[in-house]
Amino acid sequence: GQSLEQPSEVTAVEGAIVQINCTYQTSGFYGLSWYQQHDGGAPTFLSYNALDGLEETGRFSSFLSRSDSYGYLLLQELQMKDSASYFCAVDSGNTPLVFGKGTRLSVIA
Amino acid sequence: DGGITQSPKYLFRKEGQNVTLSCEQNLNHDAMYWYRQDPGQGLRLIYYSQIVNDFQKGDIAEGYSVSREKKESFPLTVTSAQKNPTAFYLCASSPAGNTEAFFGQGTRLTVV
Repeated sequence: GQSLEQPSEVTAVEGAIVQINCTYQTSGFYGLSWYQQHDGGAPTFLSYNALDGLEETGRFSSFLSRSDSYGYLLLQELQMKDSASYFCAVDSGNTPLVFGKGTRLSVIA
Repeated sequence: DGGITQSPKYLFRKEGQNVTLSCEQNLNHDAMYWYRQDPGQGLRLIYYSQIVNDFQKGDIAEGYSVSREKKESFPLTVTSAQKNPTAFYLCASSPAGNTEAFFGQGTRLTVV
């Protein structure tokens, strides 16, 4: 089977940096993706990592270590609008994405 | 503009009634999915379809049914057999491969 673990809640201060970790167990692995979901809204795609290393997109970066079955999402220069839930998801190829339970990020002043 | 549309946004039904949630996409994606989300929970897969006229059960298919008669449309029926149907339902589509999924705005179903 497949399983993903991520913290349920994280709180950080506006302007700071926060890292949201994700560990996974899967029988097949193509890549790890991250999605953001504001309350009552739709998840939106943030990033996809197929190879080891760090990928940066503006204030957000995502890291993957395939050997450790581990990835993280790094949010810099936090803003109040970053308060949302963040989901990691495993791409195992021909089967649908499997999502973690999500990490609720609260950004405080 | 291309996108994926779910309707209605809010839906109320009496217990014991079947209800159908609409999902339409004009992204020309082959694959479409239905997820259920409960408060504080992740996304659980109900059904998915990778090609027209074919669909597969997900992790929590019991009490639900789908059809995929057209590439653009993937409606979900919540039947009276679903024991706890009140939830937020999300439809998604993706191109070949799973590098990015596109989600609709969701339908919040409340059964009273």
